[in-house]
Amino acid sequence: KNEVEQSPQNLTAQEGEFITINCSYSVGISALHWLQQHPGGGIVSLFMLSSGKKKHGRLIATINIQEKHSSLHITASHPRDSAVYICAVRGFEAGSYQLTFGKGTKLSVIP
Amino acid sequence: DAGVTQSPTHLIKTRGQHVTLRCSPISGHKSVSWYQQVLGQGPQFIFQYYEKEERGRGNFPDRFSARQFPNYSSELNVNALLLGDSALYLCASTNGWGQGAKRNTGELFFGEGSRLTVL
Repeated sequence: KNEVEQSPQNLTAQEGEFITINCSYSVGISALHWLQQHPGGGIVSLFMLSSGKKKHGRLIATINIQEKHSSLHITASHPRDSAVYICAVRGFEAGSYQLTFGKGTKLSVIP
Repeated sequence: DAGVTQSPTHLIKTRGQHVTLRCSPISGHKSVSWYQQVLGQGPQFIFQYYEKEERGRGNFPDRFSARQFPNYSSELNVNALLLGDSALYLCASTNGWGQGAKRNTGELFFGEGSRLTVL
């Protein structure tokens, strides 16, 4: 069973700061997802990574398969980035979405 | 195009009752997954369906069951509700399944969830 750990659990930042959220897992995976959850509960998928790095706007996600570690970076943070960020990992069965989730990192960006 | 829709959005039940939650995937998506998220925790996988067949089941008791219909919508049923079943139930859809099927981009689309309170 894969164990997914996120750090930090809570993060408060000033608007404009560079933010990093970390995710580590214990067993090899086929892909890792970064998700964003707002207070209402709905979840938005930000990235799916199998290797390397992806960038979308101010968000950057990286993954190191050998070290079983991924990071989500937010550049020039904004109060609208305030949300819970969750990483989730997928095993190797093709097409399976039997994801294992981290507990999430609650980010608050203060104006 | 409509995203993943779930109903009801909120509901309150008492212990021992039964509940049915519904999910309509994005048009063209044939795979639906269900997740339970207890307050303060990350989601946990319950079921995945593809082409009306169960393709995966998480570590949940037999009180939890699901099915997928010919139009790819899905229902999650929970019998004999317990206080611990109080949670946000999330549905997600994707556009394919592994080898031999239309290429699965891997993108995962979630609904807004159904928040269940058991009293």
